[in-house]
Amino acid sequence: EAGVTQSPTHLIKTRGQQATLRCSPISGHTSVYWYQQALGLGLQFLLWYDEGEERNRGNFPPRFSGRQFPNYSSELNVNALELEDSALYLCASSSGTGTGELFFGEGSRLTVL
Amino acid sequence: GEDVEQSLFLSVREGDSSVINCTYTDSSSTYLYWYKQEPGAGLQLLTYIFSNMDMKQDQRLTVLLNKKDKHLSLRIADTQTGDSAIYFCAEIQSRSSGGSYIPTFGRGTSLIVHP
Repeated sequence: EAGVTQSPTHLIKTRGQQATLRCSPISGHTSVYWYQQALGLGLQFLLWYDEGEERNRGNFPPRFSGRQFPNYSSELNVNALELEDSALYLCASSSGTGTGELFFGEGSRLTVL
Repeated sequence: GEDVEQSLFLSVREGDSSVINCTYTDSSSTYLYWYKQEPGAGLQLLTYIFSNMDMKQDQRLTVLLNKKDKHLSLRIADTQTGDSAIYFCAEIQSRSSGGSYIPTFGRGTSLIVHP
């Protein structure tokens, strides 16, 4: 069974540009979570999508947005990139039942120059 | 509120036991997790404990939960160099308890195992 896949693995952008990150959940999982892992800050919750709708968002500015598609894959968009947006962006999926375990992808490393 | 705290670093000698500690504030948490992150990789679930349990053992891993003090610990017996990684504590409320169902993670503890 394929795990959570994320693309691209690495992305380099300059300030002011826009970045799009993509995530495919485990087959059968309807929930997708996005987290930002900046150096020394642990995992900061960004967005939660379930059944195609945004269910919750973390304490991030509106230039962080995303969506979930009918096949439950998701994309995260970051507009007007700032240097401090440089981080590892992790996507996780969950079936929404049982123990609530999250299954993580390998992450997309975004570098803003 | 929800806040999970962990110490940032732990250094142990190969073969010794490691104990990683975590405190959380949300008393309605139903599941507590330990995740492991190896360099350049995502997080992998190591083990979890349900809030009505005090202890869970899984091979070299022992999880202890003190609900009164909201304290969770992970003990790794016979620590090996391959155990060097960042360990994250996380909590979640279940939907059935009306929780937000947003897993909240600590900042992670870097475990360094030296020969």
